[in-house]
Amino acid sequence: ELKVEQNPLFLSMQEGKNYTIYCNYSTTSDRLYWYRQDPGKSLESLFVLLSNGAVKQEGRLMASLDTKARLSTLHITAAVHDLSATYFCAVAISSGSARQLTFGSGTQLTVLP
Amino acid sequence: ETGVTQTPRHLVMGMTNKKSLKCEQHLGHNAMYWYKQSAKKPLELMFVYNFKEQTENNSVPSRFSPECPNSSHLFLHLHTLQPEDSALYLCASSPGYYSPRWRGGQETQYFGPGTRLLVL
Repeated sequence: ELKVEQNPLFLSMQEGKNYTIYCNYSTTSDRLYWYRQDPGKSLESLFVLLSNGAVKQEGRLMASLDTKARLSTLHITAAVHDLSATYFCAVAISSGSARQLTFGSGTQLTVLP
Repeated sequence: ETGVTQTPRHLVMGMTNKKSLKCEQHLGHNAMYWYKQSAKKPLELMFVYNFKEQTENNSVPSRFSPECPNSSHLFLHLHTLQPEDSALYLCASSPGYYSPRWRGGQETQYFGPGTRLLVL
């Protein structure tokens, strides 16, 4: 059974600071996704990482993937209040004729002024 | 409308009621998914449809019954639910693909806004 673990589950940080969210998974996968969810809203796709060593950046967020370590990171640079949300990683496995995503528990990020 | 839409957005029902959740996607996708998001658990995949065929049923109780009449519409029929079924139910869609051997593309899933369900 595929397990996906995120840490920390809760993160409060000051504006302007840097921090990293970690996502570990238990079995081989060929792609990893990061999603963002604002309170009361749905999930918004941020990144998809397709191969070992993949790095993607969008604004103050940068995601990376190490398939050998089965680890992905989401790095936040110089946090701003607008980044407050819950961030989920999800690992894709092929099952039958469609891909299943197994989600981590999410990291609830609060950026304080 | 664009993207993935879900109705209703909020639903309160008694344990003896029958109701249905509706999902519609306007992205030309072929795969659709139902997820359950509870306060205490990670997002759980319930059902997967690819090209209108159900490909996954992750041990979901029979009081949840999915229906996919075409690639753009997905329903979740609810009956005799329990209070622990109260949750946010999310629908998602993705391009889908023709063969289990096809491994190309990003296969990102796009989510609807969800239906917040309360079972009394």
